[in-house]
Amino acid sequence: GAVVSQHPSWVICKSGTSVKIECRSLDFQATTMFWYRQFPKQSLMLMATSNEGSKATYEQGVEKDKFLINHASLTLSTLTVTSAHPEDSSFYICSVFYSGQGNSPLHFGNGTRLTVT
Amino acid sequence: SQQGEEDPQALSIQEGENATMNCSYKTSINNLQWYRQNSGRGLVHLILIRSNEREKHSGRLRVTLDTSKKSSSLLITASRAADTASYFCASASQETSGSRLTFGEGTQLTVNP
Repeated sequence: GAVVSQHPSWVICKSGTSVKIECRSLDFQATTMFWYRQFPKQSLMLMATSNEGSKATYEQGVEKDKFLINHASLTLSTLTVTSAHPEDSSFYICSVFYSGQGNSPLHFGNGTRLTVT
Repeated sequence: SQQGEEDPQALSIQEGENATMNCSYKTSINNLQWYRQNSGRGLVHLILIRSNEREKHSGRLRVTLDTSKKSSSLLITASRAADTASYFCASASQETSGSRLTFGEGTQLTVNP
């Protein structure tokens, strides 16, 4: 199956710093990638849809200036958590949708555990 | 709410028993998908059922879909300790892009050896 690489798998940073998370589609070009946030023992909450070559579409309540998304190529999308605070500590997961496959599942990265101290 | 609903929230069974998880969703769908998540990991796709299908099998997995009730169920037969994980349903709405999924709240399955 398709492989999605997410990096780093975990990161600890100090409050006020920025953290960049990368999501790479290794097998196929991906015009659409999704970023989710997951709190412990909870479901995935969609944060934004990342479209190659255009601005990301953010879900209601997600601050676009706080969570910067860049999808500059067909294989890479990045999520930057700017000026991180302890409440940003969470598990962030990306997924890739391969267009042209009709009814097809998403392919997920292994997630990034962010801890802000 | 963005979320669909799943029940039970947690399920603990013995190895060899069957596990059934239920999911309800809110909108008309293109398809419904089930995913598995091991603790601290990403999601792994298990099975996709289209809106015009009623039942689908894959190995020890059996999924049903009732669009009139907006519900689905996942049955894992002859469970194994390695099946211990969280299981999520995800609906692909007709109104939005088929790639944009709405996840259920998940069921934490524990299979005791």
